[in-house]
Parts: sequence; structure tokens; C-alpha cells
Amino acid sequence: AQSVTQPDIHITVSEGASLELRCNYSYGATPYLFWYVQSPGQGLQLLLKYFSGDTLVQGIKGFEAEFKRSQSSFNLRKPSVHWSDAAEYFCAVATKGNYGGSQGNLIFGKGTKLSVKP
Amino acid sequence: ETGVTQSPTHLIKTRGQQVTLRCSSQSGHNTVSWYQQALGQGPQFIFQYYREEENGRGNFPPRFSGLQFPNYSSELNVNALELDDSALYLCASSLAGFPQENHFGPGTRLTVT
Repeated sequence: AQSVTQPDIHITVSEGASLELRCNYSYGATPYLFWYVQSPGQGLQLLLKYFSGDTLVQGIKGFEAEFKRSQSSFNLRKPSVHWSDAAEYFCAVATKGNYGGSQGNLIFGKGTKLSVKP
Repeated sequence: ETGVTQSPTHLIKTRGQQVTLRCSSQSGHNTVSWYQQALGQGPQFIFQYYREEENGRGNFPPRFSGLQFPNYSSELNVNALELDDSALYLCASSLAGFPQENHFGPGTRLTVT
């Protein structure tokens, strides 16, 4: 079955330090992968997506992610974290499920909460 | 470009009641998906609407139902509310096709007491 695993429930980093959030997926076909960010009480904002091509994708707010098929991973990185990056981060994979002609839906991981120390 | 909007922001219902949540899709988008996000969890797919018909459904019982209107806006209806229905309900709009780039609304926080 398709699934997304985010091994880290909570990560704390110092402001200015680098960040890497881990994501592993299980999906039989070509994966289409996403990272979303959710601030408290807010909806989800798309940070970046991987559909095909260059395995290193750039997103908004200085984030990037690298798709590694051999490791079934799509880790999110940022070289220097800002206090405003404190939020919850969700990795997701697009799946057509078992819906026949459906356009599919997203399967999300459980999220990683990022705290930033001053 | 108008983003995805949802109403109401918050509401409190009693177990056994019925609730209707509303979503206006981003301009130009013709597909609406609904997700349930329980506290401390990732969003889970409820169903999707395209051309005013249900176009896919997750593992949710029939008391979760929906509608899509000609202007692509959508409603999520939940009957016979249970305590476990307490969650943030997220609406996402997109253009038809696969894979889609979903744009999410701010959500409706439902509390069932």
C-alpha cells in the first residue's frame, strides 16, 4: 500500500543552522512528491513538488528537496533556518488509488514539527 | 487570483447533529478535494469532486457526503456527528488531471462535544 513516513515527529534547530527533514515513501509507480508547510491554525502551503526531471528541486522560502529513488526518499533542506520557519511540515505523495478514472489524491505523512531556537 | 476560502472558521456541534462546511475554489480551478486532519496527524483524503460528481473517495463512511456546484464551489456534509469527527477540515482545489497541484484553504475547525 502507498504510504509516507516522516520519522521525526519534532525537531529543534537554532536560528541560522541548517535543516533537513526526512521523508520516505512507499509507492509502486512513478512517485509525484510534495512538501507542504502548515503554520498553527492555518491551511497547507505548497513549498515544492517533484514530478520528473532534475532530482534536486527548489521551492519557496529558500527550501529545496532531493528525490532519491534508490532510497525512496524526498528529504527537505534549508541551509539557514529563520525563526519564521517554525511550523509543521508535511511530505505527501500523489496517488490514483483505486478510483479508476479519478484524478487521484494525496497521501500525507504524519508531519514533522519544527521549532527554532533564537 | 483569488485563493481557496472556507467557511465557517470554527464551529462546535453536539454528537448526533449534522454539519455543513463550505469551500470556494481558487479561480480557474475545477476540482475540489476534502481532507480531514485530526490533531497531531497528517490530512486524510475524504473525497474529491469534479464536474459536480464524486470522483474518488477515501476510507470514510457514507455519512460523509458532498456536493459541487456549477461555479466549482463545494460543500462537505457530515451526518450523525461522532466525537472522533472533531478535526480540521481542509478543502483543496486544483485543475483536472494527474498529478494535481492542490491549493489548500485555511480549514474549518470542527469540535464535536
